[in-house]
Amino acid sequence: ETVLTQSPGTLSLSPGERATLSCRASQSVRSSFLAWYQQRPGQAPRLLIYGASSRATGIPDRFSGSGSGTDFTLTISRLEPEDFALYYCQQYLSSPRTFGPGTKVEIK
Amino acid sequence: QVQLQESGPGLVKPSGTLSLTCAVSGGSISTDDWWTWVRQSPGKGLEWIGEIHHAGSTHYNPSLTSRVTMSLDKSKNQFSLRVTAVTAADTAVYYCARVGGTTAFEPRLDYWGQGTLVTVSS
Repeated sequence: ETVLTQSPGTLSLSPGERATLSCRASQSVRSSFLAWYQQRPGQAPRLLIYGASSRATGIPDRFSGSGSGTDFTLTISRLEPEDFALYYCQQYLSSPRTFGPGTKVEIK
Repeated sequence: QVQLQESGPGLVKPSGTLSLTCAVSGGSISTDDWWTWVRQSPGKGLEWIGEIHHAGSTHYNPSLTSRVTMSLDKSKNQFSLRVTAVTAADTAVYYCARVGGTTAFEPRLDYWGQGTLVTVSS
């Protein structure tokens, strides 16, 4: 099983600041098989990034993804109020298709 | 626009069977590749339960494989989840989702249902 570790667990920032979220895999994951999701309270997760760096339909360009191998990053260039939420990475290379434990981005 | 809607009992007794259905509109379970179930225990993260292909093959999470069955109903354009011998640990919000892309290229969960809370309690 490919274990995903996300850091930090919680990120306390102010609107307008830059957020950098990390996702590390226990074994190499081809970039094509790494996705990021956002979950706001009481809502279903929403796809943000797939293939490590491709934005999903309708996702603002302040969201970007990068990385390869075992280290991946989600960057939010300038935080908007609606960006304060939980973020999960997921690998689709091997079964089970594991999720990371999540990073909470909260208002400082 | 693909839409998914989960339905099923919100309360299941311990040792009983949890049964949920995901109705799909705007897409076809007969042609789109894979369909999946994910759950989220209260205050916890996301757990992948498994996926089913439109041709009927399945992959399940090894932690649940002895208790989980997924199936398709193409006539109704819906797919289902069954979990047997449930305990309080199975209490969660259950989501269905579509796997966009393909399992060989940029797979991702691009459309999600709103989720349905299932509580296991006597």
